[in-house]
Amino acid sequence: GENVEQHPSTLSVQEGDSAVIKCTYSDSASNYFPWYKQELGKRPQLIIDIRSNVGEKKDQRIAVTLNKTAKHFSLHITETQPEDSAVYFCAAKTGANNLFFGTGTRLTVIP
Amino acid sequence: GAGVSQTPSNKVTEKGKYVELRCDPISGHTALYWYRQSLGQGPEFLIYFQGTGAADDSGLPNDRFFAVRPEGSVSTLKIQRTERGDSAVYLCASSPTGAGTGELFFGEGSRLTVL
Repeated sequence: GENVEQHPSTLSVQEGDSAVIKCTYSDSASNYFPWYKQELGKRPQLIIDIRSNVGEKKDQRIAVTLNKTAKHFSLHITETQPEDSAVYFCAAKTGANNLFFGTGTRLTVIP
Repeated sequence: GAGVSQTPSNKVTEKGKYVELRCDPISGHTALYWYRQSLGQGPEFLIYFQGTGAADDSGLPNDRFFAVRPEGSVSTLKIQRTERGDSAVYLCASSPTGAGTGELFFGEGSRLTVL
């Protein structure tokens, strides 16, 4: 099956700075790459996603980039705020419609 | 209902016992997924249903784990002869369609503790 690797596992940034989380995937047939945010004790919730026919997508302070050749995709959060503190998971959806998650990045935004 | 509902929210059981976890997806969602999440880890895929059939059960760790979705809506994850290593949060998610891309909507999870 698909193997999704995610780095870093923890990330601390000062409020207002940018945060970048990177993922790689192994299955070249994967075609959908969502990012989920999970607050402590809560369910994962989708924050942004990108499809394989697009290289970049932006939604306010959040952007995602995809490099299909290198099988990399990244999450960029600008102007970070304390409420951005959470665990972020990348994921890749295979041609068989299965969704595999990375191991997560715990982001801490320091006020 | 408005969202994915999972019951029970918490289950404590003894080693060797049988456990059932229930998932009620968003009405009309044809795809249903079960994941297991251990502390500090990402959701680990267990099984995916498209309608009533298991489209992919390759994530089930062993034959003690089984899941059904007899009418294409509610699903039950069944764990026999539970072991301490089965302790985790079991997440269910549903999606409007399994074909192509699409957001997964997660439930709050069922926290299983095996003593």
